[in-house]
Amino acid sequence: AQKVTQAQTEISVVEKEDVTLDCVYETRDTTYYLFWYKQPPSGELVFLIRRNSFDEQNEISGRYSWNFQKSTSSFNFTITASQVVDSAVYFCALRIAEYGNKLVFGAGTILRVKS
Amino acid sequence: EAGVAQSPRYKIIEKRQSVAFWCNPISGHATLYWYQQILGQGPKLLIQFQNNGVVDDSQLPKDRFSAERLKGVDSTLKIQPAKLEDSAVYLCASSSYRVSGANVLTFGAGSRLTVL
Repeated sequence: AQKVTQAQTEISVVEKEDVTLDCVYETRDTTYYLFWYKQPPSGELVFLIRRNSFDEQNEISGRYSWNFQKSTSSFNFTITASQVVDSAVYFCALRIAEYGNKLVFGAGTILRVKS
Repeated sequence: EAGVAQSPRYKIIEKRQSVAFWCNPISGHATLYWYQQILGQGPKLLIQFQNNGVVDDSQLPKDRFSAERLKGVDSTLKIQPAKLEDSAVYLCASSSYRVSGANVLTFGAGSRLTVL
């Protein structure tokens, strides 16, 4: 079965703190893609990053960084120097190659950044 | 480019009534999805279209939900009759493998349904 677990239901931080959102996935497939989406209060899911199962190179993009570790089936997301505008629900998602374009989402982590 | 358009943004109905949601995907996107997002949960795929054909509707409650994409462009999702547990946000998304590769979905703002 394909499953995504985001154990952190809600995280609150003070502006400028670093915060890491955890994501653990389950799949028996060797070819898959992992995604992070952000859902601000407006409701629209915004794509942040995509990684395929053959690319474990971690990435930094501005204040965002991602840590993909196949050995622990984790795909964690870190925001450095958080800002109030980062407040949103963050979803990790998994797509299995043989299942076409079907994305399986985690339950999401609510991030609240206080000024 | 224009995003994914959805309407209405909000709808309140009584149980057993019917409701329809409309989605216009990004121009040129062949794949269209309807997701259901219940409060506190991640989105769940209801149905996926490739042009005007259904690719996956395995999680669509077909006794009450229906969807169509007749001309391969915009789509309508209908619920009839609605139940209390259908209260959710219905998200439409579209994608184009040719444009973005491995299925990066672009989502609309969603249609929030409240069933009383």
